[in-house]
Amino acid sequence: EDKVVQSPLSLVVHEGDTVTLNCSYEVTNFRSLLWYKQEKKAPTFLFMLTSSGIEKKSGRLSSILDKKELFSILNITATQTGDSAIYLCAVRRGSRLTFGEGTQLTVNP
Amino acid sequence: NAGVTQTPKFRILKIGQSMTLQCAQDMNHNYMYWYRQDPGMGLKLIYYSVGAGITDKGEVPNGYNVSRSTTEDFPLRLELAAPSQTSVYFCASSLGQGVANVLTFGAGSRLTVL
Repeated sequence: EDKVVQSPLSLVVHEGDTVTLNCSYEVTNFRSLLWYKQEKKAPTFLFMLTSSGIEKKSGRLSSILDKKELFSILNITATQTGDSAIYLCAVRRGSRLTFGEGTQLTVNP
Repeated sequence: NAGVTQTPKFRILKIGQSMTLQCAQDMNHNYMYWYRQDPGMGLKLIYYSVGAGITDKGEVPNGYNVSRSTTEDFPLRLELAAPSQTSVYFCASSLGQGVANVLTFGAGSRLTVL
């Protein structure tokens, strides 16, 4: 059975802090790993990672995949209150996408 | 371009009632999915479909049924609703695999079973 584990489950920081969110997985026939941000409604896409060691970057957010150790991290630098959300990691095997439990990030002013 | 449209947005059911959550996409996506999200939790896959006429079970299919008679529509049927089915349901679609496998989500349907 596919397994995606995120840590920590929740995190409270102050504006300006840097955070690292973790995602480990056990999936046969791995195709890709995706990160989503979920505020009050539906998840919105952040990154898709398919190759080890290649950092994806968008503004203050960046992510990298390690296919040997089966994990990915999502970094957010200089956090802002607008970064408060649930961050979801998902792993694709074939046509199936399995999500982790998510990390609830709260950024306080 | 509407994307993925779910109806209804909210619904309250009594135990034992049945209902159908509707999902439609206008992006000509082949793959469609139903997920449920319980409070404070991640998304659990209920059913998915890789094309019209093809459906498959996900992690938590019990108590649900789906059909995919057209590319655009992927309704989720709840038979004999139970309190454990109280959740937010998300429909999603993607064009296919590879670089086209990013999911587009609907806005969600909040279901309460009392």
